Amino acid sequence: SAVISQKPSRDICQRGTSLTIQCQVDSQVTMMFWYRQQPGQSLTLIATANQGSEATYESGFVIDKFPISRPNLTFSTLTVSNMSPEDSSIYLCSVEPQGSSFFGPGTRLTVL
Amino acid sequence: KNEVEQSPQNLTAQEGEFITINCSYSVGISALHWLQQHPGGGIVSLFMLSSGKKKHGRLIATINIQEKHSSLHITASHPRDSAVYICAVGMTSGSRLTFGEGTQLTVNP
Repeated sequence: SAVISQKPSRDICQRGTSLTIQCQVDSQVTMMFWYRQQPGQSLTLIATANQGSEATYESGFVIDKFPISRPNLTFSTLTVSNMSPEDSSIYLCSVEPQGSSFFGPGTRLTVL
Repeated sequence: KNEVEQSPQNLTAQEGEFITINCSYSVGISALHWLQQHPGGGIVSLFMLSSGKKKHGRLIATINIQEKHSSLHITASHPRDSAVYICAVGMTSGSRLTFGEGTQLTVNP
């Protein structure tokens, strides 16, 4: 199993600012996944973060808007840059050790 | 057509009722996941299935690979079961998951 914590749990931010979300896992994992869940929608994968290499972004998501760091096998950050109200979402990190999926508690972001 | 479709979108039940949530998918998969999301947003993984049936407490998940269909059953439902239940499929081992839109379950006392 894997226990994942995220910081912050929620935040209210002003348009044009940036927020960095942290994800900590209690065990070493190769890949970490960042998801976005817009209000009333299902989860959408933003990017996959491997330790020691650039993150792989899904269609519609770019590094300038969502820079990701993966400094070691238990930690990752996702930054939401130059925020607009459309970025208001829940952001979740996830890991899949041995095929099972584990999700963090999510970061609820509101952009005014 | 979405690759993963859930039904119903919304479900209201009385405490004690037997509940079924359905998930259909259109492509071959390596595994199917049932997830539970509470109002705070956090997600808990309930089951991962590649065949057959799994049971955990009052929850039962089944999958029919030939029919490309899975069901999540909740026996003796309780208000604390109120949450969004999400079906997700992985096309190959280790690949990203594709999510259904979720089923909002409300269990009234």
